[in-house]
Amino acid sequence: EDQVTQSPEALRLQEGESSSLNCSYTVSGLRGLFWYRQDPGKGPEFLFTLYSAGEEKEKERLKATLTKKESFLHITAPKPEDSATYLCAVQALVEAAGNKLTFGGGTRVLVKP
Amino acid sequence: SQTIHQWPATLVQPVGSPLSLECTVEGTSNPNLYWYRQAAGRGLQLLFYSVGIGQISSEVPQNLSASRPQDRQFILSSKKLLLSDSGFYLCAWRVRGRETQYFGPGTRLLVL
Repeated sequence: EDQVTQSPEALRLQEGESSSLNCSYTVSGLRGLFWYRQDPGKGPEFLFTLYSAGEEKEKERLKATLTKKESFLHITAPKPEDSATYLCAVQALVEAAGNKLTFGGGTRVLVKP
Repeated sequence: SQTIHQWPATLVQPVGSPLSLECTVEGTSNPNLYWYRQAAGRGLQLLFYSVGIGQISSEVPQNLSASRPQDRQFILSSKKLLLSDSGFYLCAWRVRGRETQYFGPGTRLLVL
């Protein structure tokens, strides 16, 4: 069974204090690993898809990296508007269940000015 | 561009009452559609998915059902709500042949 574990559960940062979020996964062949941002009371917003170990993607202050067992979301010099819950999900290589995503529990990030 | 709508945004229902949540997608044809539930402070759990009109697959046994009467319409229903049905319900869509799922704004359901 596919599993995704995110750590830490919550992260409090000062504005400008860079940090990393971890997503550890177990999947029977990885088709893709996904990062989403979710603001309170809203649906998840797509950030990145990573497909193979060594791949990196960047968007503004966010950078996602992937290894064979985990992914990191690096937040560089965060601003208060980066406060959100960040969700990680994996999709197995085997075509099943309509290409369903298995989600981790998320990391709640609070950036204080 | 594609957009996804869900309504209502918020719903408060008594135990034992019926439920109907609607999701519609614009700007794409023949998408895969998904219903997820998110409990407070927890990750998303896939409830149902559909690869076409009238084709529904259930991921977990529960008090809910889903239907897809039109290509871009996905409905989540219940005949009698339970307290445990409370949560944040999210609809998502995916283009065939691509991996990324895109989510709607969600419906907050509170069963009292």
